[in-house]
Amino acid sequence: DIPMTQSPSTLSASVGDRVTITCRASESVSSWLAWYQQKPGKAPKLLIYKTSSLETGVPSRFSGSGSGTEFTLTISSLQPDDFATYYCQQYDSYYRTFGQGTKVEIK
Amino acid sequence: EVHLVESGGGLVQPGGSLRLSCAASGFTFSSSWMSWVRQAPGKGLEWVANIKQDGGEEYYADSVKGRFTVSRDNAKNSLYLQMNSLSADDTAVYYCVRDGRRECSRAACYYDYWGQGTLVTVSS
Repeated sequence: DIPMTQSPSTLSASVGDRVTITCRASESVSSWLAWYQQKPGKAPKLLIYKTSSLETGVPSRFSGSGSGTEFTLTISSLQPDDFATYYCQQYDSYYRTFGQGTKVEIK
Repeated sequence: EVHLVESGGGLVQPGGSLRLSCAASGFTFSSSWMSWVRQAPGKGLEWVANIKQDGGEEYYADSVKGRFTVSRDNAKNSLYLQMNSLSADDTAVYYCVRDGRRECSRAACYYDYWGQGTLVTVSS
């Protein structure tokens, strides 16, 4: 399998802040990278697929970039609804793997 | 609207078995790869298994290979996960998920719809 590593594990930020989460793959996954948002007690929700394609209905303040082994999720202006845990996932391999998650907390 | 509703979770003793079900609606079930993803309490997400549209291909995570079996009944729009030889490490919320349909790699895809999950607790 392809281990995925996210940083930071926890991020404290304020409403209006620009937030960046990094995801690194142990080997190249090309552009086959997705991001999910999960709130406590809820199922994850797809935000971005193929590195930078925004899922329908997801606010444009979310964006993704990168390729190969290093990827980022950026929230341009953090909103109250964005405090959650974020996961990256590679799907270059049939053995899909997730990062360990980044919890975005209120500062 | 796509709906995925899991059922069958509960408390089971170590070494026991459980069968999870997922009822799908709002899309053409027989056209979609489907997967199971789990999340242990307070932990991250782990892909468990997936199955091709016609049931002709199945893939499993190393942690469940030989113990879990994924299956589907397209006539009933249902996905299943038979879990045998359960241990405490299998305690988790199990999600039924639909594989995406756009911009997928040759090998796999992201997940575009998730059920609400069903909790499996393995304990004596």
